[in-house]
Amino acid sequence: EVQLLESGGGLVQPGGSLRLSCAASGFKFSSYEMAWVRQAPGKGLEWISYISTSVTIKSHADSVKGRFTIFRDDAKSSLYLQMNSLTAEDTAVYYCARGSQGSSYYFDYWGQGTLVTVSS
Amino acid sequence: IQMTQSPSPLSASVGDRVTITCRASQSISNHLNWYQQKPGKAPKVLIYAASNLQSGVPSRFSGSGSGTDFTLTISSLQPEDFATYYCQQTYRTPPTFGQGTKLEI
Repeated sequence: EVQLLESGGGLVQPGGSLRLSCAASGFKFSSYEMAWVRQAPGKGLEWISYISTSVTIKSHADSVKGRFTIFRDDAKSSLYLQMNSLTAEDTAVYYCARGSQGSSYYFDYWGQGTLVTVSS
Repeated sequence: IQMTQSPSPLSASVGDRVTITCRASQSISNHLNWYQQKPGKAPKVLIYAASNLQSGVPSRFSGSGSGTDFTLTISSLQPEDFATYYCQQTYRTPPTFGQGTKLEI
């Protein structure tokens, strides 16, 4: 069974840093593209980061570019999001999501999410 | 690419046939996906590539469209279908979502 389990969320002060983790199981992690998607309280979904297989391509939304970095450790079947210079606008539930394989691209599995709250 | 959904919210009753519309700001061919999200839960894909039903999703869900205009149809609403629905384009990076359509009783 495919499972994605996020961790690392919590309360952080403005300007602080946090590292989110996503532990994957039930599939060959190294063969899949992965992404982070967030959802601010009461708001819609916002894609923020993408990483290809073999770490050949990384992409970040303009809203987090230069502050957030996505990376992966295929040996540990884990995805990470390093978040720096956090602001109140980064308060959200952060989901990791698996990219589908094949000619059509979509997020076929999602984790349960981890809440990040940026507040003093 | 901007994705605009309508209507929002949408009020309906069990047994109704409902249609949610998603419009892209430019042509995205058929690179359009639909997700369902229930309160406190992660989104779940229903339809991918505009009209393909994800494995395990009930056949009362269907999608259509290409280019800029797309629809998600639920043929006969069930109680468990009351949720928020999002469209997403994956034609260009960033893969943007619509603002969501909350389907209410």
